[in-house]
Amino acid sequence: EAQVTQNPRYLITVTGKKLTVTCSQNMNHEYMSWYRQDPGLGLRQIYYSMNVEVTDKGDVPEGYKVSRKEKRNFPLILESPSPNQTSLYFCASREQGFFNSPLHFGNGTRLTVT
Amino acid sequence: GENVGLHLPTLSVQEGDNSIINCAYSNSASDYFIWYKQESGKGPQFIIDIRSNMDKRQGQRVTVLLNKTVKHLSLQIAATQPGDSAVYFCAENGDSSYKLIFGSGTRLLVRP
Repeated sequence: EAQVTQNPRYLITVTGKKLTVTCSQNMNHEYMSWYRQDPGLGLRQIYYSMNVEVTDKGDVPEGYKVSRKEKRNFPLILESPSPNQTSLYFCASREQGFFNSPLHFGNGTRLTVT
Repeated sequence: GENVGLHLPTLSVQEGDNSIINCAYSNSASDYFIWYKQESGKGPQFIIDIRSNMDKRQGQRVTVLLNKTVKHLSLQIAATQPGDSAVYFCAENGDSSYKLIFGSGTRLLVRP
């Protein structure tokens, strides 16, 4: 089944403790992206990747890192999480760079930072 | 879904009726538009898309209409079912090839 898989689904951590949220897609998509979803603010892009070893900042990149060493994986790294990063995170992928095909989303990771 | 907003506009329809969800998009440079459905606890799910060279596109029980003159997009759902209850987002590509701009969403409630 074609899908975007995120892990973990739920994560509770403390301020400053480094964490990684993994994302993997099995559709051989070139483009991958991370979004966060917050009440009243909607979906906002954190980082995106046009292909292996090509990443760039989205609208809200502060406090996050990403890497794209393989086509299928696009982990999101929080080096020193803070409470304002408590949110619902979605990884997404699509076939190619230009936006003429839809994004496919994972089922989300609910992160709580205390 | 529970995480998408506390004060979303809500459309309540009777099961079996048709639903129309509207979206005003922001960027006149947008040439690609998508509708997503988000159920509680899940990620946004692609419903239908449309390019700016079209003004109407139909899928299974859904129709998207695009009016570029007034920058308006609508999603019509025929014979609405309880499983259609969700939050619906429109999205546009703006003047960027690298991201989608999402609307704030509309909650659809289907009354049995």
